[in-house]
Amino acid sequence: DVKVTQSSRYLVKRTGEKVFLECVQDMDHENMFWYRQDPGLGLRLIYFSYDVKMKEKGDIPEGYSVSREKKERFSLILESASTNQTSMYLCASSFTGIPLHFGNGTRLTVT
Amino acid sequence: KNQVEQSPQSLIILEGKNCTLQCNYTVSPFSNLRWYKQDTGRGPVSLTIMTFSENTKSNGRYTATLDADTKQSSLHITASQLSDSASYICVVSPYNQGGKLIFGQGTELSVKP
Repeated sequence: DVKVTQSSRYLVKRTGEKVFLECVQDMDHENMFWYRQDPGLGLRLIYFSYDVKMKEKGDIPEGYSVSREKKERFSLILESASTNQTSMYLCASSFTGIPLHFGNGTRLTVT
Repeated sequence: KNQVEQSPQSLIILEGKNCTLQCNYTVSPFSNLRWYKQDTGRGPVSLTIMTFSENTKSNGRYTATLDADTKQSSLHITASQLSDSASYICVVSPYNQGGKLIFGQGTELSVKP
């Protein structure tokens, strides 16, 4: 079974803090994705990566950055967390350019 | 503008009953259409994937249909079970736009005993 593991299920951070969300997949997938999911807005793509050290902006990259130093790990970084970044964050991976396997999400609250 | 609209927003049915969820999209041309099931507190799990040339695809008690002419898809759930309670998300992949996906807002299904 493919496993996409997000390191934290719940996270509470203060405004202005630097936040790291970690995602690891065990299927040697080239492609990894970060989405945020908000009520009424569905899933929105933040960033995706198609190879180590490669990244592409998604629809809402502002306020976020990513890091892919190893194939299995894709990190989402909030440089200075703000309250409007309170959301559910979902990581996904795939062999193709379309996400197939999702992690269980990290619910981030910024106070 | 590429959009995916799902209806109803939420639905409550009794265990054992059938139900149909709707997805209308304006994405054109498109590469494929997917239905995901998302349990509370979990990530989405792919149920079906259909290319523009397919009309129907089944996965156990789940059957997805696609009418590319009217730009409509439906997900039919047969003999519902309590474990079917979840959010069902319709996702359309525009043709030749790499990993871009257009997500619907989901239908929240609640199956009651």
